[in-house]
Amino acid sequence: GAVVSQHPSWVICKSGTSVKIECRSLDFQATTMFWYRQFPKQSLMLMATSNEGSKATYEQGVEKDKFLINHASLTLSTLTVTSAHPEDSSFYICSAPRGAGAFFGQGTRLTVV
Amino acid sequence: AQSVTQLGSHVSVSEGALVLLRCNYSSSVPPYLFWYVQYPNQGLQLLLKYTSAATLVKGINGFEAEFKKSETSFHLTKPSAHMSDAAEYFCAVSVRGTDKLIFGTGTRLQVFP
Repeated sequence: GAVVSQHPSWVICKSGTSVKIECRSLDFQATTMFWYRQFPKQSLMLMATSNEGSKATYEQGVEKDKFLINHASLTLSTLTVTSAHPEDSSFYICSAPRGAGAFFGQGTRLTVV
Repeated sequence: AQSVTQLGSHVSVSEGALVLLRCNYSSSVPPYLFWYVQYPNQGLQLLLKYTSAATLVKGINGFEAEFKKSETSFHLTKPSAHMSDAAEYFCAVSVRGTDKLIFGTGTRLQVFP
């Protein structure tokens, strides 16, 4: 079946540095991918929609200069957290729509120290 | 606007007992509805989905859900809980035409021996 692979599964970085998270659709093409953020014991909040060949669409309140999204190809979207701070520590999950519904990556646990 | 409400942030059952996780939706148009399961530090796995075909939907791991338009509900059930069912469960509604998923706040299922 369709699989979405997200890498890395966890990362620890120093405050002020940038971190890149990759999301790949392994056996299908995804012109659109979604990036979510999940705080502990909370639901998933949509951050942005990644569009292949065009700019990402950000949800209200999400800083586009801080969370850079690039949809480089039909199978790869990346989220870069720039100048990370401890408050950016969270679980980030990507998904790719497939039919009615979506397939999700394994998630990335980001810890900024 | 579409939304889902999950009643009960925590549900505890004994192994072998009935599992009932509640979800109510709000939608001005016929919705697509989903149940996802999330294990710790992992992404989401689709359990089942309703896309306007049969109102009783069977999913993986013995779960099923029934779409009841009159009650605007899509409750998830399983006749007999297993220890491996302990996880976080999310109900979601799809925003038609955008592939976006709007998630409920989640229900943590605990299964006791």
